[in-house]
Amino acid sequence: DAKTTQPTSMDCAEGRAANLPCNHSTISGNEYVYWYRQIHSQGPQYIIHGLKNNETNEMASLIITEDRKSSTLILPHATLRDTAVYYCIVGGYSTLTFGKGTMLLVSP
Amino acid sequence: EPEVTQTPSHQVTQMGQEVILRCVPISNHLYFYWYRQILGQKVEFLVSFYNNEISEKSEIFDDQFSVERPDGSNFTLKIRSTKLEDSAMYFCASMRQGRSNTEAFFGQGTRLTVV
Repeated sequence: DAKTTQPTSMDCAEGRAANLPCNHSTISGNEYVYWYRQIHSQGPQYIIHGLKNNETNEMASLIITEDRKSSTLILPHATLRDTAVYYCIVGGYSTLTFGKGTMLLVSP
Repeated sequence: EPEVTQTPSHQVTQMGQEVILRCVPISNHLYFYWYRQILGQKVEFLVSFYNNEISEKSEIFDDQFSVERPDGSNFTLKIRSTKLEDSAMYFCASMRQGRSNTEAFFGQGTRLTVV
């Protein structure tokens, strides 16, 4: 079973920041936090990952709390094309265990 | 940008037939995976493959399934005697290495429909 908890769905207005939370209270010291997304029935797309420091790339930012029990994925300026299911996954050592994710709906 | 490619994009087969799903992983990657997603359900891990052998497999990956890397570029999933419940999207993925600080890249999937 997935070791994360995410809201089932979220809404965001186009152009605004989308902040997607994830709880992973049982994360162990050497496990990373990964974010993937799946647009419609396409293959999951890697977004970002981190261990304990905050991370930023061209797609998003990842904020991990100091105790590492939760994290937030930030899409700074959401567009309609960011509508997707977002998966927060911990571990990632070789295999990925997907949960149900958060369905993010970006609307005009 | 390098990507994982899968063929065919859609495969329709009759129940009881064998199908082979094909994947070309990213060229310098060493770890290869198959996942599946039944319509409306979660993405599920099937099998991982490294150094020409299976390194891990799930309960789903029973004797009906097999994987092969027949040459230096292709990675295939064979499903023997297909059943209706094998209908799903099948995703191939590859990783440069198997450590936890490495991201996986997925192909766009093959939609398998068993009729």
